[in-house]
Amino acid sequence: AQKITQTQPGMFVQEKEAVTLDCTYDTSDQSYGLFWYKQPSSGEMIFLIYQGSYDEQNATEGRYSLNFQKARKSANLVISASQLGDSAMYFCAMRSGRGSGNTPLVFGKGTRLSVIA
Amino acid sequence: DGGITQSPKYLFRKEGQNVTLSCEQNLNHDAMYWYRQDPGQGLRLIYYSQIVNDFQKGDIAEGYSVSREKKESFPLTVTSAQKNPTAFYLCASARQGKTVNSPLHFGNGTRLTVT
Repeated sequence: AQKITQTQPGMFVQEKEAVTLDCTYDTSDQSYGLFWYKQPSSGEMIFLIYQGSYDEQNATEGRYSLNFQKARKSANLVISASQLGDSAMYFCAMRSGRGSGNTPLVFGKGTRLSVIA
Repeated sequence: DGGITQSPKYLFRKEGQNVTLSCEQNLNHDAMYWYRQDPGQGLRLIYYSQIVNDFQKGDIAEGYSVSREKKESFPLTVTSAQKNPTAFYLCASARQGKTVNSPLHFGNGTRLTVT
C-alpha cells in the first residue's frame, strides 16, 4: 500500500527566508513518482514539482526544490526566498508501480504555510 | 486555453436529494478522477476512470456514482446514501502514459453544502 505522511499541520516563515515542508512516503515499489501541489485559499490545486524514484538529481523549478532522500523515504519541498503569495496549503502526493502512468495519486494531509511580512 | 471546468462553484442542496457535479476537460486526457477534500483530511479518492465507459471505485466510493460516456466528461452524483456529503469536491485529469511522471491537472472545485 502507498502512504504519504506530512507531519507539519502548519508552518510559519518570514518573508524572503527559506522554508522546508516535510514529506515521507511508504511504498514497496521500486518505480514511483513524487509530486508537490500548492492550494491557495481559492481552492485550485497547482502542480509545483515532480521527482522520479530513478532521478539521480534533486528536482528544481524556480524557487522550488525537492530534497529527495531515497534511503529515508523522504521528499521534502524547499521554498527559497518566501513571498507573501506563497501562503497556502501544500500537498505531497505519490504514484507508484511500473506501468501505473495514469493511476490516481495518493495525497498527504497537507501543510498550511503562512508567510509573515 | 485547455483546462478542466467544474460547475457550479458553490452548490446547496437539501438532505435526501441527489445532486450531480459537472466536470469537463478539453485537454484530450484519457484519465479522470474525483477527489473529496475535508478540513484536515487531505484529498481522498472517490472514483476514477482511465478510459471511456470504464471506471473504478476509490477509497470512499460509498454513496457516490459516476459515468464516463464521453472522453471529455466525468460527472459525479452524490446520492442521498452519502452520510456526510458536505465537502469540497475536486475533479482532475491526466494524460495517458505508462510511466509514473504524469501529474494530475485539477479543476477549481465545487463546494457542496447539504442542509
